[in-house]
Amino acid sequence: QVQLQESGPGLVKPSETLSLTCTVSGGSISSYYYTWIREPPGKGLQWIGYAYYTGTTNYNPSLKGRVTISVDKSKNHFSLTLTSVTAADTAVYYCARDSAAAAPRVLGYWGRGTLVAVSS
Amino acid sequence: DIVLTQSPGTLSVSPGERATLSCRASQSVGSYYFAWYQQRPGQAPRLLIYGTSNRATGIPDRFSGSGSGTDFTLTISRLEPEDSAVYYCQQSGDSLWTFGQGTKVEIK
Repeated sequence: QVQLQESGPGLVKPSETLSLTCTVSGGSISSYYYTWIREPPGKGLQWIGYAYYTGTTNYNPSLKGRVTISVDKSKNHFSLTLTSVTAADTAVYYCARDSAAAAPRVLGYWGRGTLVAVSS
Repeated sequence: DIVLTQSPGTLSVSPGERATLSCRASQSVGSYYFAWYQQRPGQAPRLLIYGTSNRATGIPDRFSGSGSGTDFTLTISRLEPEDSAVYYCQQSGDSLWTFGQGTKVEIK
């Protein structure tokens, strides 16, 4: 069974860089969309972007070029980097992936989420 | 951007009754790339329905999805206490994937 687990700092200072990693277990990095989603406190889900296993990426334009998602096949994980963070970036961050049992670009596997607070 | 608008915002239903959730898109969405997710309190979202009407693995048959174009519906035919959650629609047919704002289902 595929499992995803987010890891990274729970607190980031304003103007600094948020970096999270999602470790994939129960399967290797292959032809899927490796995706990040976030949920600000009291709000709904926001799609951040994805990296396809080939390295092709697609990001939410609202993040204005601050986001990078990458896949590391050798470490079986994928990562999120968000630069120049502000309090508005405080959220629970989820990593997710599509599932062969469902359909491409449908998020069949999710991590449990990790809360990242932006504060000095 | 394809904006997904869900209604109602909150739905209060008695156990055993039917719940009908709506999701309207600002422009046509390919049925293949339309999905519903359930998020129980304190948990990550879980895939319920993909391709508009296909139940994900392990999802009970009291959950069903329908629709096309700009109007999609999630129906829970016989509500159970564990169905108390926020439900999100989502499209991934456009280059910018989007979620609806969510419908909260409460059990009376």
